[in-house]
Amino acid sequence: DTAVSQTPKYLVTQMGNDKSIKCEQNLGHDTMYWYKQDSKKFLKIMFSYNNKELIINETVPNRFSPKSPDKAHLNLHINSLELGDSAVYFCASSQLGTSSHEQYFGPGTRLTVT
Amino acid sequence: SQKIEQNSEALNIQEGKTATLTCNYTNYSPAYLQWYRQDPGRGPVFLLLIRENEKEKRKERLKVTFDTTLKQSLFHITASQPADSATYLCALDRGNQFYFGTGTSLTVIP
Repeated sequence: DTAVSQTPKYLVTQMGNDKSIKCEQNLGHDTMYWYKQDSKKFLKIMFSYNNKELIINETVPNRFSPKSPDKAHLNLHINSLELGDSAVYFCASSQLGTSSHEQYFGPGTRLTVT
Repeated sequence: SQKIEQNSEALNIQEGKTATLTCNYTNYSPAYLQWYRQDPGRGPVFLLLIRENEKEKRKERLKVTFDTTLKQSLFHITASQPADSATYLCALDRGNQFYFGTGTSLTVIP
């Protein structure tokens, strides 16, 4: 069973379009995250959701909006896509309040904006 | 803001030797420091976690040290194997805030 899954794996789209990436975790974790990994492989946190509440919102453009319909899902919606949005986006989950804060990552979604 | 640097983008070592990777951070010390492995085209995978009050943690051929005075963590892989070739990331964990380092690409040469 896949612990953290993302769809789609690849996404190619044109500038100005709106797109969504879906994420699901079956680990029963209470916190989910979205990360962006750029071409230099730097992994930067964008958002995290704890029990459906946004607890971190790093300085990302408001064109990016996370949506969590329930504890097991955290989707990322992006409006008016720009060339600079091209990157690999990773979803992750963890269980806070325990002795282990390890994060479980999804396989990533490679977004290419042309 | 928190800054995390990992030594050299790329590290090449001979099979059987010990690989040592460095993670340096500025500003505040995290409650936890984690190490992850990332293979090409895949998401990072958790390896080890060390708490601020711990000096050393081991898991099989892996060893992590944490020096809050130096603001540094060292990650060692002993008896390295070609299968250990990957990018290794350190991450500072302050509860619900995670900051990843720039990563070190390790290549173990047979």
